[in-house]
Amino acid sequence: DAGVIQSPRHEVTEMGQEVTLRCKPISGHNSLFWYRQTMMRGLELLIYFNNNVPIDDSGMPEDRFSAKMPNASFSTLKIQPSEPRDSAVYFCASRRDRGPEAFFGQGTRLTVV
Amino acid sequence: AQRVTQPEKLLSVFKGAPVELKCNYSYSGSPELFWYVQYSRQRLQLLLRHISRESIKGFTADLNKGETSFHLKKPFAQEEDSAMYYCALRDRRDQAGTALIFGKGTTLSVSS
Repeated sequence: DAGVIQSPRHEVTEMGQEVTLRCKPISGHNSLFWYRQTMMRGLELLIYFNNNVPIDDSGMPEDRFSAKMPNASFSTLKIQPSEPRDSAVYFCASRRDRGPEAFFGQGTRLTVV
Repeated sequence: AQRVTQPEKLLSVFKGAPVELKCNYSYSGSPELFWYVQYSRQRLQLLLRHISRESIKGFTADLNKGETSFHLKKPFAQEEDSAMYYCALRDRRDQAGTALIFGKGTTLSVSS
């Protein structure tokens, strides 16, 4: 298995544009997590899904952020419209129920100018 | 509220010196504690978890419930230990889909 796959690896966009980040979890993993990493705030949990159902989205900063998981092998995190303060590295992770470890993707580095 | 606190943003030591990365937590339930590590240009990965009580790459961490701490220790630091270290917790009941809550991370820099 190639692990958790995120795309794109880097994204540079202008303020106001829509940004879509993509994640493919490890096959067989029931839970999927989106995190945001910044120098100031470290790793923040944005939202997570279990069996494709959103369980907790209280970490989503604003209505500009939305996430979907239409099936067990794909999830998106969308920011519309994007702002410079959204610049960060966004990580996706997946885990199987009762499994000890969450596996992380390599992240998407988002820069909003 | 559940919270993980890592008081040091940066810890710089010399090769061969002892290392202790501090982690304190606040959680009303029964937590499971983890240390994750992120080496330069690599993805975040699990280093160790308190339940397994093992030593990985010379690192150990003991859960102290009285002090609500889970400090990461290594007696002799190596240059390849330089990385970002995150302490994390999760509900030990391990309900389906429970998320990891992370601290802000500590950058460990080991120089020769």
